Amino acid sequence: DIQMTQSPSSLSASVGDRVTITCEASQDVRNFLHWYQQKPGKAPKLLIYDASNLETGVPSRFSGSGSGRDFTFTISSLQPEDIATYYCQQYENLPLTFGGGTRVEIK
Amino acid sequence: EVQLVQSGGVVVQPGGSLRLSCAASGFTFDDYVMHWVRQTPGKGLEWVSLISWDGGRTHYADSVQGRFTISRDNSKNSLYLQMNSLRPEDTAFYYCAKTGVKWELLPGYFDYWGQGAPVTVSS
Repeated sequence: DIQMTQSPSSLSASVGDRVTITCEASQDVRNFLHWYQQKPGKAPKLLIYDASNLETGVPSRFSGSGSGRDFTFTISSLQPEDIATYYCQQYENLPLTFGGGTRVEIK
Repeated sequence: EVQLVQSGGVVVQPGGSLRLSCAASGFTFDDYVMHWVRQTPGKGLEWVSLISWDGGRTHYADSVQGRFTISRDNSKNSLYLQMNSLRPEDTAFYYCAKTGVKWELLPGYFDYWGQGAPVTVSS
């Protein structure tokens, strides 16, 4: 199975700050790495697919980069509504696997 | 508008059975692979199973292989998960999810999710 290691597990930042989350795959997943946002009591929501493509309707302050084993997710200017847990996921090989999540809080 | 509406949650005893349902609308259901994903506070998000657009191919996580069966009825735009021999560790919130790529098992991504259904396995 491909293990997805996400870091940090939680972070606290101020409104307007740049926030960066990393995700490392235990083996090459090419660019089939996706990022989801989950707010409490809600289903995950797709933000970034195929490492760097912004899902329709998602604000441009969200971005992703990387390929192979190392990936980065960035919020360029943190907003109060971005408080959530963010997950990476590989969809290159079965079983599909997720990172452990990063909880983002406002300082 | 794409919608995935799941059946309600339930409490079931260990060893029992349960069928989850997911009703789809707003897209051509039989063009897409569908999945079940579960979530627990302790283990996070865990992929459970997928089924191809025509129902001809299925795959399962090792943790549910032989106990769970995924199926779909394209005439009813519905996805199902039959869960047998349930264990306490199957307690989780279960989501159905749609892939964003037509006619592809792999690769892909989940572009829409159901609202989730809580399953509690307890005596």
